[in-house]
Formats: sequence, C-alpha cells, structure tokens
Amino acid sequence: SYELTQPPSVSVSPGQTARITCSGDALPEKYVYWYQQKSGQAPVLVIYNDNKRPSGIPERFSGSSSGTMATLTISGAQVEDEADYYCYSTDSSGQVFGGGTKLTVL
Amino acid sequence: EAQLVESGGGLVQPGGSLRLSCTASGFTFSTYSLNWVRQAPGKGLEWVSYISSSGDNKYYADSVKGRFTISRDNGRNTLYLQMNSLRDEDTAVYYCASPPSTGMDVWGQGTTVIVSS
Repeated sequence: SYELTQPPSVSVSPGQTARITCSGDALPEKYVYWYQQKSGQAPVLVIYNDNKRPSGIPERFSGSSSGTMATLTISGAQVEDEADYYCYSTDSSGQVFGGGTKLTVL
Repeated sequence: EAQLVESGGGLVQPGGSLRLSCTASGFTFSTYSLNWVRQAPGKGLEWVSYISSSGDNKYYADSVKGRFTISRDNGRNTLYLQMNSLRDEDTAVYYCASPPSTGMDVWGQGTTVIVSS
C-alpha cells in the first residue's frame, strides 16, 4: 500500500524557520495537503494543492513540492505553531496520511 | 457555517458491531464527497473510507476492507460507517471530514470507539 514518510519530530527556536518533509512515490503526479493538529483538537488544513494557503492561515505557512518530496515551511515559527503536522495525498486506490511530525517550538 | 457532528461511538466487545453516524449542516450535503478518518490513542491520523457525493463510489483502507461499510443518506444529510467484526486495533477516535480536494475543510469533533472485552 502507498506510504507517505515524514520525520517523527522537528524542533526549532521561536523565530526560526521550520521545515517538515514528506516523501512519497506518487507525489510527482498527486497534490499534497498539510494538516495541523493541536492536542485534543480536530486537524486543520494549512496547505492545499501543494502550495495554496486557505483563508485564515498565517502567511508564515508555505508549501512546496518537487519530485517525490513535499515540504511544509513555517517561516518565523511561533510558540503557538507547536503541534503535530500531517501530510496527506491520494493514490489510485484511496487516500493516505503521513505518519505525522511533532513540531516543538522552544 | 458548515458543521459535521458524529455520534454512535461506544464500548464494544471484539467481534462486535457498531454504526457511526455523521450529521451535516450549513452546506449542501449532497454535493460533497466525504471521508471517515480515525486516530488511535497516541497515534497518527489514518484514512478509513471515502464516499462520493452520490454514493456511487466508495473506497476503503486495506485495514478495514471487508469489515466496514460506508454509506450516506442525502435526504437526511447523514453519513454512516457500519463497522463489523471489530478488533482491538479499531479502537480510535473516528472523525467524519470533507476531503481537502473538495475545497472545503470541515471536520467533526470525533466519536470514540473502544473495542475491549
């Protein structure tokens, strides 16, 4: 079955740039989406269609995708950005989430 | 405001069955495809099943194929997940959610399913 691979954790200091990667064989042909999930809450979409930002999502969140790797970048990470982040995409038989990356900002 | 509200979770013995419901409001339910997504305690998100807006197309994760059935009633604005032959590893919070490809990001608050003897 199709898999998306993320690093388990990323840690940055406030104000630094955080980069979270997501790799998958089908990414050259499929869009990537990114979700943020804070403890005890439902996920929130922060990037769609590789690099589009939904309304209400701060400009410091951006996305890119090249070949089999997609990247979520948080420029000038804030303490409130500390959360779990999941990439998501599709393949011919369904949909899949990456394993998630815990972002620590301190 | 678009909303999804799940119900039907609870404690069930291994091998048992449960039916989850997800009631929608604030948007034209019949024009949106929907997903069920689950999250086991302390684990990541897992896509479970998808249904198209008409209900004609359905897809399942390998982990639930043959045991779970997704359906919808567009007249009642309600999505369902019939879960049979439940296993310990099906213990999770179950969310209904709009696939991001629909252009709408809506998730329910989740309903908890515990499979235990």
